[in-house]
Amino acid sequence: GESVGLHLPTLSVQEGDNSIINCAYSNSASDYFIWYKQESGKGPQFIIDIRSNMDKRQGQRVTVLLNKTVKHLSLQIAATQPGDSAVYFCAERWEGGYQKVTFGTGTKLQVIP
Amino acid sequence: GAVVSQHPSWVICKSGTSVKIECRSLDFQATTMFWYRQFPKQSLMLMATSNEGSKATYEQGVEKDKFLINHASLTLSTLTVTSAHPEDSSFYICSAREGQSQPQHFGDGTRLSIL
Repeated sequence: GESVGLHLPTLSVQEGDNSIINCAYSNSASDYFIWYKQESGKGPQFIIDIRSNMDKRQGQRVTVLLNKTVKHLSLQIAATQPGDSAVYFCAERWEGGYQKVTFGTGTKLQVIP
Repeated sequence: GAVVSQHPSWVICKSGTSVKIECRSLDFQATTMFWYRQFPKQSLMLMATSNEGSKATYEQGVEKDKFLINHASLTLSTLTVTSAHPEDSSFYICSAREGQSQPQHFGDGTRLSIL
């Protein structure tokens, strides 16, 4: 079936450096993408989203890039801080799926002080 | 912002018992609620989608008679794990949205441990 996947299970970065987390999706019908941050023992926390008619969206210290040609999504975190340490999930939503959110496999971000 | 609350946050019970988890939208009316399950070091897997006043739609492989979902009001959905066994031990997370094109808001999950 259709799925959202990630390439890297763990990413370690030095505090202050920029982080890039990648995600590959397979459902070309998806029209909305979301990045979530999950800290240990908690539910997913919304970070940033992007619709399929856009290729870039910026938030505070975060940027999401969408490349529909290769079905690739990335999350860039500027000046990574220890508080950014968590598991990050990309997720997709598509009209045919009753607009339910489907999660990718997740990347654990470890920030080295 | 929109808040989704789950209760309890942690439950431990004996094998064979039934456990009920509540999910409430605190400051909005949730026409649709979703239940996810997450095993350690894995992603969230959607179990079922429920619309207020309707029967839940279960994902493939999820036993509807084992995971009973009730969405009787616009602010409350419950998940009951019937005759729970150790393999049902997991992190259960609910999510709610106000309308079809609205974002999903997530609760902080319920850690279920079956002994």
